[in-house]
Amino acid sequence: EIVLTQSPGTLSLSPGERATLSCRASQSVSSSYLAWYQQKPGQAPRLLIYGASSRATGIPDRFSGSGSGTDFTLTISRLEPEDFAVYYCQQYGSSPRITFGQGTRLEIK
Amino acid sequence: QVQLVQSGAEVKKPGASVKVSCKASGYTFTSYGISWVRQAPGQGLEWMGWISAYNGNTNYAQKLQGRVTMTTDTSTSTAYMELRSLRSDDTAVYYCARGADTAMGNWGQGTLVTVSS
Repeated sequence: EIVLTQSPGTLSLSPGERATLSCRASQSVSSSYLAWYQQKPGQAPRLLIYGASSRATGIPDRFSGSGSGTDFTLTISRLEPEDFAVYYCQQYGSSPRITFGQGTRLEIK
Repeated sequence: QVQLVQSGAEVKKPGASVKVSCKASGYTFTSYGISWVRQAPGQGLEWMGWISAYNGNTNYAQKLQGRVTMTTDTSTSTAYMELRSLRSDDTAVYYCARGADTAMGNWGQGTLVTVSS
């Protein structure tokens, strides 16, 4: 099973700043089958990025994903107030087992 | 638009079973699988498994093998997740999501299952 480790656990930033979230896999994620989700309290997760770097429908272009192999990054170029939430990475390349990272909490500084 | 609507909250005693439904609309049900993901209070996301709505093939997380069964009813575009021998650590919000072995682009609203004596 591929273990995903996200860092940092909590990131404290101000609106307008740039956020960089990391997701490291215990082994290579095949074909960059890596997704990112945003979750706000009391809501279901929302898909942001799939295939490591493709934005899902309706996702603003301030969100971008990059990386391959074992190291992946979600970047939010200029934080908006609504971006403060918990972010999860997910790999779906090692079928039949899907795994999630433990999450990064992005909080207002 | 794609919608996944789940059944309501449940309270169960330890050792009981729970069956959560997920009714899909807005797309061809048999063209996508359905995944189930749960989230214990204050915790992260845990993948439980998926089912192909096309042929009923399933893949379950190893830790739930033997306690979980996922099924679909294509006549009503509904997916079901049954979890047996419930324990207190099964208390969680259970989500269905469209997709199997893929990124999950559409999610249900979640169903809270509380296991308590």
